[in-house]
Amino acid sequence: QLQLHESGPGLVMPSETLSLTCSVSGGSINTYYGTWVRQSPGKGLEWLGYIYYNGNSYYNPSLKSRVSMSVDTSKNQFSLKLTSVSAADTAIYFCARATSRFTLSGVVMDFIESWGQGTRVTVSS
Amino acid sequence: EIVMTQTPLSLPVTPGESASISCRSSQSLLSRDDGNTYLDWYLQKPGQSPQLLIYMLSYRASGVTDRISGSGSGSGTDFTLRITRVEADDVGVYYCMQRAVFPCTFGQGTRLEIK
Repeated sequence: QLQLHESGPGLVMPSETLSLTCSVSGGSINTYYGTWVRQSPGKGLEWLGYIYYNGNSYYNPSLKSRVSMSVDTSKNQFSLKLTSVSAADTAIYFCARATSRFTLSGVVMDFIESWGQGTRVTVSS
Repeated sequence: EIVMTQTPLSLPVTPGESASISCRSSQSLLSRDDGNTYLDWYLQKPGQSPQLLIYMLSYRASGVTDRISGSGSGSGTDFTLRITRVEADDVGVYYCMQRAVFPCTFGQGTRLEIK
């Protein structure tokens, strides 16, 4: 059974970098997309972007240049980095695996099929 | 980015009755390339992560009950999730999400509760 598990610090200081890793078990990240979604307290869901197994990525413009993602297929993991964090980045962060589909323009992310349980990150001094 | 608007935000339902949730997008989610509509539905049960219910407008995810169905008006901007014979296990927050145009965006969520 496919499982995803987020790991990383639960507390990050303002202006520092938030780093999370998603470990995939019971399935592979190869040929799939790793994606990150966050949920701020009492709010809805915000999609942060994706990393394809070959390293191609797309980031939500709302995060400007603060976000980056990477993948390590040998470890079946993918990671999120968010720089210059503030209290507004306090949220539950979910990693998820998404399928891929072929279009006239090439391969794109398809639906999000499986989610991790989420990890709570608080930005505070 | 595409704005997704759900109504209602709260939905009390009597067990055994049906429930409908609407989702509207600020622009069409209908692909001119392949004619598919890239709209998905998720349910976040209390204390859990979201789970996929419906993908590409009307396709049920593996293991999802046939009491749940997704549809669209044909305009590419108006969508409905319907749950028949509502049960206690259906409680949670339902989200629509578009992936026709990146960045993907979610609706605000509709909280279904049992009366």
